[in-house]
Amino acid sequence: EVQLVESGGGSVQPGGSLRLSCAASGFIFSGYAISWVRQAPGKGLEWVSGVTGSGGVTYYADSVRGRFTISRDISKNTVYLQMHNLRAEDTAIYYCAKDQGPAAPGTFDYWGQGTLVTVSS
Amino acid sequence: DIQMTQSPSSLSASVGDRVTITCQASQNINNYLNWYQQKPGKAPELLIYDASDLATGVPSRFSGGGSVTDFTFTISGLQPEDIATYYCQQYDDHPPTFGGGTKVEIK
Repeated sequence: EVQLVESGGGSVQPGGSLRLSCAASGFIFSGYAISWVRQAPGKGLEWVSGVTGSGGVTYYADSVRGRFTISRDISKNTVYLQMHNLRAEDTAIYYCAKDQGPAAPGTFDYWGQGTLVTVSS
Repeated sequence: DIQMTQSPSSLSASVGDRVTITCQASQNINNYLNWYQQKPGKAPELLIYDASDLATGVPSRFSGGGSVTDFTFTISGLQPEDIATYYCQQYDDHPPTFGGGTKVEIK
């Protein structure tokens, strides 16, 4: 059974940092791309960042490029999202999502339960 | 970025009704179009991929169609458990983008 479990969310002041984790199980971890998708309170879905199955290529939305870094540790079956210089508009539930394939972000066939990030003074 | 326009933003229908949602892309997306269901307080779930292919385990009352820039999502016989918000998403071009969502309620 495919499982994705996010952790690391919390409350932080503007300008602060957080690192989110997504622990994966139930599939060949290196064979599939993983993305982070966020949802601001009461709003729709926004793709944030993705990493290929091998970890060799990363992708970012313009809204987070230069502030967020995605990485994956194949030995731990875990994907990370390091977030710096957080802004109020980054407040959202962050979901990690498994892709159907190993390459660029495309079709998200499994999702975690999400972790809430709140940026407020 | 490719803009995805969904309509309506919300709808109310009776159990058993046929419900149709539309999604229009700002340019040709070559059928790289997915539909997701998000129930209140839950993560999204994939229902339809590549415009018309049903994801594993999804009931056959859900279907998708369309091509180029105009796509539809249909529930043929609305059930109480279908109360949710539905999103379309394109992945023809980077970044992948979502429509604004359609909230489906029971009348």
